[in-house]
This record gives sequence, C-alpha cells and structure tokens, in this order.
Amino acid sequence: ETGVTQTPRHLVMGMTNKKSLKCEQHLGHNAMYWYKQSAKKPLELMFVYNFKEQTENNSVPSRFSPECPNSSHLFLHLHTLQPEDSALYLCASKRGGNEQFFGPGTRLTVL
Amino acid sequence: SQELEQSPQSLIVQEGKNLTINCTSSKTLYGLYWYKQKYGEGLIFLMMLQKGGEEKSHEKITAKLDEKKQQSSLHITASQPSHAGIYLCGAEMGDYKLSFGAGTTVTVRA
Repeated sequence: ETGVTQTPRHLVMGMTNKKSLKCEQHLGHNAMYWYKQSAKKPLELMFVYNFKEQTENNSVPSRFSPECPNSSHLFLHLHTLQPEDSALYLCASKRGGNEQFFGPGTRLTVL
Repeated sequence: SQELEQSPQSLIVQEGKNLTINCTSSKTLYGLYWYKQKYGEGLIFLMMLQKGGEEKSHEKITAKLDEKKQQSSLHITASQPSHAGIYLCGAEMGDYKLSFGAGTTVTVRA
C-alpha cells in the first residue's frame, strides 16, 4: 500500500460510453499525475497537476479530460474512447523533489 | 526528451542466483529512480540515485549510478521468488516529471 488509491480497479466500456477514473491521496503531496501503460511500451505521461494547476498535457487526445478539484483528488474523464485506449491507467503523486508514489492502477478495456 | 534504454528486456534466473539490470541514458542523469511493478499493478519505489558514483542497498538489492551519470545498474543477490516482477528505471526531467524505460521482466525459477 502506497497511500494512493484508484477506483475502479477494472473498467470495461463501450466506445460511446462516458466514465471517470478516480485517484485519491491524503499524503500531503502537491503534485499528481496520470500515466498510461500499454503492453510492451514505456509508461506514457499524460497529465501533471501541481498545486491543482495543470502543468503538463502531453499531447493527449481530447477524449481524455483530467480534473483536479483539490490537491488530494484527481479524476480522468473518459468519453468516446477507441479500442487502442485500452491500457492500465496509473495515478501517482509526490511532494517536492521526492519520489512518486503510485496507485494500483485501473485496467481499462474499450470494446 | 530523455531516452532510457533498459537491458535486458527480460531474464529468467534460478532461485539463489544473482542478476543485474542496466539502465542507460542518452543524457546526463540528474535523478535516477528504480521501481518494481507486479504485473497489472502499480509501481513500488525501490531507490533513488543522484550523485555520480552513488550506490545504495536495501536488503538484497543494490543500485549504482556511474561517475558520468549516464548509466545505472540494479543488482539482486541470491534472488528469491519475491523478486519476480517488472523493474523500471525513471529519470528526472525537471518540472516534477519522470521519463521511464520500457522495463525488465524478471522471472525467478524455483
């Protein structure tokens, strides 16, 4: 247990659905991240929030929409996804120059 | 962007044997992180190295950063089944960001 939780752990959705992934940490961290992990590929950084402000959008398609209402919660809203978006989505958080703490991930399957 | 090459991509080791994983960067490393991941789960932090020539150990795992700060190695002594998983190196990119290698899958055979 790293102190970073993610829900749901597994999600199956159709291409026309709208769903949201949730990430939560009460570690006092100020930076939060979304990563995508596909088979046989390095972790891809999607979004970075620092003190609730988005500081990075790594050319992510607009069908992925992040939201950071406060420094403890991070959401990833999904709509009209494609089958190639199926992957493990990981949330992470950190404070200052310390290491990132990762959540267990959400395994997303798009049908 | 920071390119990190990990080698080997995968390895199988007999229980009790040693193993080494390498992480090579195209640029100078200012912070190098090692993580372990069980398949389909989140990453668990192992160690962070910052100084050239730095070496850190935790239980049977030792990580080193070379003097030029472009290569790091992770060495496991007397491997056990609990050491099985995917090992990833990550490099500090500034602005709170990390860039990761593709990972090394370790299988430990009893």
